[in-house]
Amino acid sequence: DIVLTQAPLSVSVTPGESASISCRSSKSLLSSKGITSLYWYLQKPGKSPQLLIYRMSNLASGVPDRFSGSGSETDFTLKISKVETEDVGVYYCAQFLEYPYTFGAGTKLELK
Amino acid sequence: QVQLKESGPGLVQPSQTLSLTCTVSGFSLTSNSVSWVRQPPGKGLEWMGAIWSGGSTDYNSALKSRLSISRDTSKSQVFLKMNSLQTEDTAIYFCTRLRLGNWGQGVMVTVSS
Repeated sequence: DIVLTQAPLSVSVTPGESASISCRSSKSLLSSKGITSLYWYLQKPGKSPQLLIYRMSNLASGVPDRFSGSGSETDFTLKISKVETEDVGVYYCAQFLEYPYTFGAGTKLELK
Repeated sequence: QVQLKESGPGLVQPSQTLSLTCTVSGFSLTSNSVSWVRQPPGKGLEWMGAIWSGGSTDYNSALKSRLSISRDTSKSQVFLKMNSLQTEDTAIYFCTRLRLGNWGQGVMVTVSS
């Protein structure tokens, strides 16, 4: 199985400042079609996960452009610029390249 | 508007079978895949399996021996059946169009006698 390792597991951010979350894959997520199958989700307290970024760097519909995704074949970063109170929750990376699909352990973002 | 909604029993006895239904609207099951994902209380997300647009299925190997996913396209419903439930199967169960970001609200299932 592909293992996704997220860091840090928790982060405390002052509103208005930036935050970065890392996700490292045990295997390249670049497919033969040239698509990197790495996704980012945010799960707000008591809610279902919501899609933020698809295919490593594409912003999902309705997601503020404060969110951005980048990376290589195995190392990925989610950056949140100018963190707002509504960004609180747990962030998960996920890979949909191979079965079983797998998720990172999650990074909890809190406000200072 | 795309919607997914899970339904099923909130309490299942150990060793029994869990049966859940995901009722979808706003899209066709014959052109979309649906996955089941679960989340134990206070823990992370686990992909359980999926049923693809053509009706084939794939399962997490960790659950494959106990899990079955099927569908009724005429009713826009996807079904999950998992047998031999244990307390560690206590979780919120979600149905989702993973890549497109559509999730149901989830259903909490507690395995307890």
